[in-house]
Amino acid sequence: QQQVKQSPQSLIVQKGGISIINCAYENTAFDYFPWYQQFPGKGPALLIAIRPDVSEKKEGRFTISFNKSAKQFSLHIMDSQPGDSATYFCAASTYNQGGKLIFGQGTELSVKP
Amino acid sequence: EPEVTQTPSHQVTQMGQEVILRCVPISNHLYFYWYRQILGQKVEFLVSFYNNEISEKSEIFDDQFSVERPDGSNFTLKIRSTKLEDSAMYFCASSNDSYEQYFGPGTRLTVT
Repeated sequence: QQQVKQSPQSLIVQKGGISIINCAYENTAFDYFPWYQQFPGKGPALLIAIRPDVSEKKEGRFTISFNKSAKQFSLHIMDSQPGDSATYFCAASTYNQGGKLIFGQGTELSVKP
Repeated sequence: EPEVTQTPSHQVTQMGQEVILRCVPISNHLYFYWYRQILGQKVEFLVSFYNNEISEKSEIFDDQFSVERPDGSNFTLKIRSTKLEDSAMYFCASSNDSYEQYFGPGTRLTVT
């Protein structure tokens, strides 16, 4: 019940295209859903996050769509650029558990020029 | 921009040895975390720390692990007797509100 399932495992997108990564969860107590971007040899960097009281959040080219009833959320990267090539992790947490993040398996995104 | 720092960047140790990984969280943050990432796998939670005590720990965080905030700026993870399977990247993170967590660059631990 603590798992967060992420798909796809890898994604290849052409420059200018839309990258879509999906996550699903079971624990309805989760109340915070961040996305992290990780470049090789670096730590995860917080990209964007959403709370379950809204269905969408947009920051620049990055948008989170959240479907509470389906227990799913997704990251959309508009106008994808080669510099976006990285591994993306979705995660979920609940305040009652000290904020521990449960991460998805990660999606390796490659944006081709 | 404030950031989490970690030292060393790479630690090589022999099986059975003790290691201490060090972190300096963002200065006004109150919540501190350790995570690990085995090569090519997802990031896994180890422990959270708030108000000078552990608030949550995972099954991975057994008696071989301990954390400490020895002064107002450092946060350490100690592994008493390292095993081969402890080889991983270890990330420290900190947060002001237990939600937005900011990660350090990691320490790569290699146990031989």
